[in-house]
Amino acid sequence: EVQLVESGGGLVQPGGSLRLSCAAPGFTFSSYWMIWVRQAPGKGLEWVANIKEDGSEKYYVDSVKGRFTISRDNAKNSLYLQMNSLRAEDTAVYYCARDRNYFASDTYYDVFDIWGQGTIVTVSS
Amino acid sequence: AIQMTQFPSSLSASVGDRVTITCRASQGIRNDLGWYQHKPGKAPKLLIYAASSLQSGVPSRFSGSGSGTDFTLTISSLQAEDSATYYCLQDYNYPRTFGQGTRVETK
Repeated sequence: EVQLVESGGGLVQPGGSLRLSCAAPGFTFSSYWMIWVRQAPGKGLEWVANIKEDGSEKYYVDSVKGRFTISRDNAKNSLYLQMNSLRAEDTAVYYCARDRNYFASDTYYDVFDIWGQGTIVTVSS
Repeated sequence: AIQMTQFPSSLSASVGDRVTITCRASQGIRNDLGWYQHKPGKAPKLLIYAASSLQSGVPSRFSGSGSGTDFTLTISSLQAEDSATYYCLQDYNYPRTFGQGTRVETK
């Protein structure tokens, strides 16, 4: 069964760091863009970052630029999110997802077809 | 960043009702839009991509339409298991942005 499993969440103090992992067994991980999405308590979904198949392109939402780093290890079928200088507003459930990247009419469309169950990050003193 | 505005923010409907959710982009995004269903404690689920393409395995009562700035998600006959929050997501440019969500409840 194709699945994603996040880990690494927990309680951290403001200004601290945390590294999230997303294990991706069951499919050819190196063939897909991957993303992180989060949901703060009582809020909606927020796209955080994505990374190309070979790691050569990465994009971030403005609120995490310079603090978060998305990376991947295709040999280990794993995606990561290094989070530094954490703030209270980073408290959220973090999800990883696969982007099937559908191509039609000279356009690539995001297709986030496989998701993990999420890992909880709490930033609090 | 492109702003995605969804309405209504919540609705309550009976089983069998036709339900329509609207998403409006702050600028034209062609048909670069997806719809996701999210239930509490669960992973989000893809319903529609490229504005109107139904994801494999998703019931045909779900459909999407629109292009440019205005998009709709329609549930042709609401079922009890459709109670969830629904989000649109633009993939026209970076950063990707979600709408604020529409909570759908079944009476």
